[in-house]
Amino acid sequence: EPEVTQTPSHQVTQMGQEVILRCVPISNHLYFYWYRQILGQKVEFLVSFYNNEISEKSEIFDDQFSVERPDGSNFTLKIRSTKLEDSAMYFCASAPVPNYGYTFGSGTRLTVV
Amino acid sequence: EDKVVQSPLSLVVHEGDTVTLNCSYEVTNFRSLLWYKQEKKAPTFLFMLTSSGIEKKSGRLSSILDKKELFSILNITATQTGDSAVYLCAVNAGGTSYGKLTFGQGTILTVHP
Repeated sequence: EPEVTQTPSHQVTQMGQEVILRCVPISNHLYFYWYRQILGQKVEFLVSFYNNEISEKSEIFDDQFSVERPDGSNFTLKIRSTKLEDSAMYFCASAPVPNYGYTFGSGTRLTVV
Repeated sequence: EDKVVQSPLSLVVHEGDTVTLNCSYEVTNFRSLLWYKQEKKAPTFLFMLTSSGIEKKSGRLSSILDKKELFSILNITATQTGDSAVYLCAVNAGGTSYGKLTFGQGTILTVHP
């Protein structure tokens, strides 16, 4: 069964450093998403991406965050200057159409120290 | 603001029991309600519901949606220890949304042998 692949599975970074989280969506999917889940809290929407541009973003997705699809297969989330409160599990997801039960990746656990 | 509330927050049962998990929502432009199972990392898709009163079934799991009363239930019959997980309810609200999901806080199900 096709999978959404995320790397790395765990990243530890110092506060103020830039991090890039990588995702390879399912190949024929057109809609891409990032979510995050702070330990013990709800899964929260960050951003959706379609046709090479951001289609929607949440209040969490401020100027410190950016997304890119650099080469037609990878989908990346960059956090420019990490804060302690960015520590969370970050999930990438993709879907063939926006109102379909889309597939999540296994997540990257980001720990900011 | 879109809102999804799940109950109970946690549930402990013995193998063979039947459980009912609840999800209520208040959203604008409802499109679909989705159930996910989250074990260690990635939420895995269970059901997507769009129409009231039509039961979706997969093995021992079933789910139904009531769009008039704005809730859904997920039933698991003859529970097994492998059903132990967090069960997430999420709603896809339309308008200009490109498939953004709003999640509930989840129900932690523990099945003892």
